[in-house]
Amino acid sequence: QTVVTQEPSLTVSPGGTVTLTCASSTGAVTSGYSPNWFQQKPGQAPRPLIYSTSNKHSWTPARFSGSLLGGKAALTLSRVQPEDEADYYCLLYYGGAYVFGPGTKVTIL
Amino acid sequence: QVRLVQSGAEVKEPGASVKVSCKTSGFTFINYYFHWMRQAPGQGLECMGWINGNGNDIKYSRKFQGRVTMTRDTSTNTVYMELSGLTSDDTAVYYCARDSSAVRFDYWGQGTLVTVSS
Repeated sequence: QTVVTQEPSLTVSPGGTVTLTCASSTGAVTSGYSPNWFQQKPGQAPRPLIYSTSNKHSWTPARFSGSLLGGKAALTLSRVQPEDEADYYCLLYYGGAYVFGPGTKVTIL
Repeated sequence: QVRLVQSGAEVKEPGASVKVSCKTSGFTFINYYFHWMRQAPGQGLECMGWINGNGNDIKYSRKFQGRVTMTRDTSTNTVYMELSGLTSDDTAVYYCARDSSAVRFDYWGQGTLVTVSS
């Protein structure tokens, strides 16, 4: 069974930078896994942020960026704002199957 | 504008079935894929499967095979997800999402809470 892993929680100061990662039990994450990233706040549906590793949706703030880093998919939040406090989920594609990571809770302190 | 509007909350008894709808508008329905996910209380997201707008490409996640059926109605641009044999473990918010091209989940429904309780 394929397992996707993320940091359970991260804390960052307002105005700071934080990088979330998304790893696969099958090995290095490549662009072929089409990493997607989503932000979810309590009581809301997930909000898409990134698709195909690094592409932003039209509504994605410029301070969010996606990349591949050390064999993992990564989401970097720069110039963090209080409203960025949320859960962040990655999604990987395994050629016919889609698997979400367990999510990273980002706290702004 | 693009909209995916899901049906309202449901309360079901164990052993029953539930059918959740996702009515779409603002785009050409048959050109897209639609995924169903669920999220149990306090838990993460889980993929259940997908259906394309043409209805000729349907795949269910292994966990749900035999219990889930996904259909679509092109006259109303609506996709449906029916889950049978409900247990308390199926209590969750169920989401539909549009996949615009090769793994690009861009628009989501608002979610439908399904509660399974006797």
